[in-house]
Amino acid sequence: DQQVKQNSPSLSVQEGRISILNCDYTNSMFDYFLWYKKYPAEGPTFLISISSIKDKNEDGRFTVFLNKSAKHLSLHIVPSQPGDSAVYFCAAIFGNEKLTFGTGTRLTIIP
Amino acid sequence: ETGVTQSPTHLIKTRGQQVTLRCSSQSGHNTVSWYQQALGQGPQFIFQYYREEENGRGNFPPRFSGLQFPNYSSELNVNALELDDSALYLCASSLEPHEEKLFFGSGTQLSVL
Repeated sequence: DQQVKQNSPSLSVQEGRISILNCDYTNSMFDYFLWYKKYPAEGPTFLISISSIKDKNEDGRFTVFLNKSAKHLSLHIVPSQPGDSAVYFCAAIFGNEKLTFGTGTRLTIIP
Repeated sequence: ETGVTQSPTHLIKTRGQQVTLRCSSQSGHNTVSWYQQALGQGPQFIFQYYREEENGRGNFPPRFSGLQFPNYSSELNVNALELDDSALYLCASSLEPHEEKLFFGSGTQLSVL
């Protein structure tokens, strides 16, 4: 039972344009959502997060949007840069439970 | 650089063997979590240790076991290896058990033949 879903395994975006990565979840108990970024041969690193009481959180070029009614969140990267090429994991958590990760989206930024 | 190191980086074992993977957490972090990432999947929670005691376990059989030591190091042991155990094993440390922001190591790529 995949509670956190990333339906796009890959995404290619031109450098300088906006990258939009999507994530859907099924468990309405989730109250905190995170995005992790993973380069090859490295572990995931925390990128940005959002509490379920908010609908937007911004950090520099990265913005996460949360639509609780649709159980959907998205990560916007603008402008996209070559160094953003990586695998992005959406993750969610509630209460004393541990992080539940999605399957990841491989983002490729085309110079 | 997260300050979390894992060894070895790669390992090849045969079915039925036992394996021990090691992790050194970031100094001061009392909590270590282990995740399994199969090819094409996201990390799946195996278990967590807090102050040397198991503090939560995912849907993994008992042949997956762990230890945490006072010096911020920890081990993941897998007995009776199966082909499906082939995966990237990630160690993540945090100050407290329920922190969302984890600091991951680079992982150990285990291949079971």
